[in-house]
Amino acid sequence: SQKIEQNSEALNIQEGKTATLTCNYTNYSPAYLQWYRQDPGRGPVFLLLIRENEKEKRKERLKVTFDTTLKQSLFHITASQPADSATYLCALETGANNLFFGTGTRLTVIP
Amino acid sequence: DTAVSQTPKYLVTQMGNDKSIKCEQNLGHDTMYWYKQDSKKFLKIMFSYNNKELIINETVPNRFSPKSPDKAHLNLHINSLELGDSAVYFCASSAGSGNTGELFFGEGSRLTVL
Repeated sequence: SQKIEQNSEALNIQEGKTATLTCNYTNYSPAYLQWYRQDPGRGPVFLLLIRENEKEKRKERLKVTFDTTLKQSLFHITASQPADSATYLCALETGANNLFFGTGTRLTVIP
Repeated sequence: DTAVSQTPKYLVTQMGNDKSIKCEQNLGHDTMYWYKQDSKKFLKIMFSYNNKELIINETVPNRFSPKSPDKAHLNLHINSLELGDSAVYFCASSAGSGNTGELFFGEGSRLTVL
């Protein structure tokens, strides 16, 4: 069965630096991969979707890459701010209407 | 105007009781889901419905019974609650079928079984 590993449970970085979060998966490559943000006590919020034929996707200070050879996605937040502190989840589809989530990385941006 | 709303937000109950969580989406989406997030924050799919029809039923005890009266609602009923059922339950929806696309989540319902 598909398995997702997100690099670390927690990541602390200094404000202004670039945060890089890793999502590795096993088995088959999905047609697309998604990233979500979850704040404490809230539901996950969609950030970006990247398809298998796309190498990179950007949205404002966010950038996602997708390497199907390495079976890895990288999620970057440039010029990080304390407001970016949250848990970030990667997710990939394992079948129709079935989105499988990783355990998330809790990012803390230190002022 | 909340897109995906679920009630109640908090639920504290005794073992053996039966409880329900309601979910409604006003996005006009065809597909709705229930996810369970445990204490380790792992978000696991339980069910998905497309246009009121069950599409996915993961290995969930049959004490959990989803009901979709129409495509805007997906309720979750849990019988004979157990301690291990304590978790946060999230409802979500997405447009279309066959291709999951972006999920819109509710704020979650925290269930505590004593």
